Amino acid sequence: AQSVTQLGSHVSVSEGALVLLRCNYSSSVPPYLFWYVQYPNQGLQLLLKYTSAATLVKGINGFEAEFKKSETSFHLTKPSAHMSDAAEYFCAVSVYSSASKIIFGSGTRLSIRP
Amino acid sequence: DGGITQSPKYLFRKEGQNVTLSCEQNLNHDAMYWYRQDPGQGLRLIYYSQIVNDFQKGDIAEGYSVSREKKESFPLTVTSAQKNPTAFYLCASTPMSPTGGSNQPQHFGDGTRLSIL
Repeated sequence: AQSVTQLGSHVSVSEGALVLLRCNYSSSVPPYLFWYVQYPNQGLQLLLKYTSAATLVKGINGFEAEFKKSETSFHLTKPSAHMSDAAEYFCAVSVYSSASKIIFGSGTRLSIRP
Repeated sequence: DGGITQSPKYLFRKEGQNVTLSCEQNLNHDAMYWYRQDPGQGLRLIYYSQIVNDFQKGDIAEGYSVSREKKESFPLTVTSAQKNPTAFYLCASTPMSPTGGSNQPQHFGDGTRLSIL
């Protein structure tokens, strides 16, 4: 069975600092992995996706994530945080199957200090 | 622009009342999903549908019902049997491959917030 674990329900960084949001997955087959962002009272917006083409994936808003099979990780990073990055971030895993379901992590709330 | 429209944005339910949340998409996606989101928690799958006139229960289907009469529409009814309906409800969709699976990301609507009067 597939699962996703996000380490840290709340992360706080200073504006301009590195953002690192951690995600570990469990999957018996090569996974497809996603990072989504959610702003208050809105739906989820796709930041980036890993589908085995390249281990370093670049997304929108300056975010990127690196797939590390040996560590079963897919951590999200951004070199320099902006105030507008404050939001909830979800890591998710999908396994190609007839069910087409995605399993979401519990989310990490990112706060940015001025 | 293509997308998913959820309505209403805010909804209030009285005791013993059924309420229906609307979800419409013009992305021509085959699969549609309903999720429930509670504060500090991830998304939990309520129901999903991969084809018209067919749907499957997710992890927390009790107290909910759905229909899929048209490809574009996947309404969710929160019945009086759902004793704790206060939550943020999200609808999503994704395309399917000819073989029936999908590794594509899901597209989301802006959600409906349901509260109890």
